[in-house]
Amino acid sequence: QQQVKQSPQSLIVQKGGISIINCAYENTAFDYFPWYQQFPGKGPALLIAIRPDVSEKKEGRFTISFNKSAKQFSLHIMDSQPGDSATYFCAASRIQGAQKLVFGQGTRLTINP
Amino acid sequence: GAGVSQTPSNKVTEKGKYVELRCDPISGHTALYWYRQSLGQGPEFLIYFQGTGAADDSGLPNDRFFAVRPEGSVSTLKIQRTERGDSAVYLCASSLAGVRGETQYFGPGTRLLVL
Repeated sequence: QQQVKQSPQSLIVQKGGISIINCAYENTAFDYFPWYQQFPGKGPALLIAIRPDVSEKKEGRFTISFNKSAKQFSLHIMDSQPGDSATYFCAASRIQGAQKLVFGQGTRLTINP
Repeated sequence: GAGVSQTPSNKVTEKGKYVELRCDPISGHTALYWYRQSLGQGPEFLIYFQGTGAADDSGLPNDRFFAVRPEGSVSTLKIQRTERGDSAVYLCASSLAGVRGETQYFGPGTRLLVL
């Protein structure tokens, strides 16, 4: 059972454009939603995260939009740069218990110069 | 400071063999997680340690997989009678206390190939 669904699988954006990646979840017990960035041969690294008590969080060029009623959240990368080319994973963890992360399938982002 | 380190970085073994994968978490982090990442997929949770004890091992796929953290720092993931389907990148992550919303820091992973 896929608890966190991510789309698209791959995305190509021109330099300076906006990259948008979407995720949807099923379990209403999730209350922490991080986005991780992974470069080839490296482990995932936290990019930005949000709690469901806010609808948007912005850090630099990265913004998370969160829709609790729709159980959806998305990552927006403004002014996308070639250095942003990587695989992005959304994830979720529960309110209680072990804070194990449930990851989406990943989006391979390519920014063309 | 040093991040999470994992050794070996690559491991090639034959079907049926036993392997051990090591994780050194960030110093002072009490929470330690193991995940498995298959090619083209997101990481999948295997086991969580809080200190020396395995607080949640619900992600271990079967009894061939076992993990320990005897002194609350270094952890070893052990796989017996390896199968080709075990081939994946095994990721270790640590966090300060394992509380809600805490950042998990990942190591570079061990790439396991079972021939």
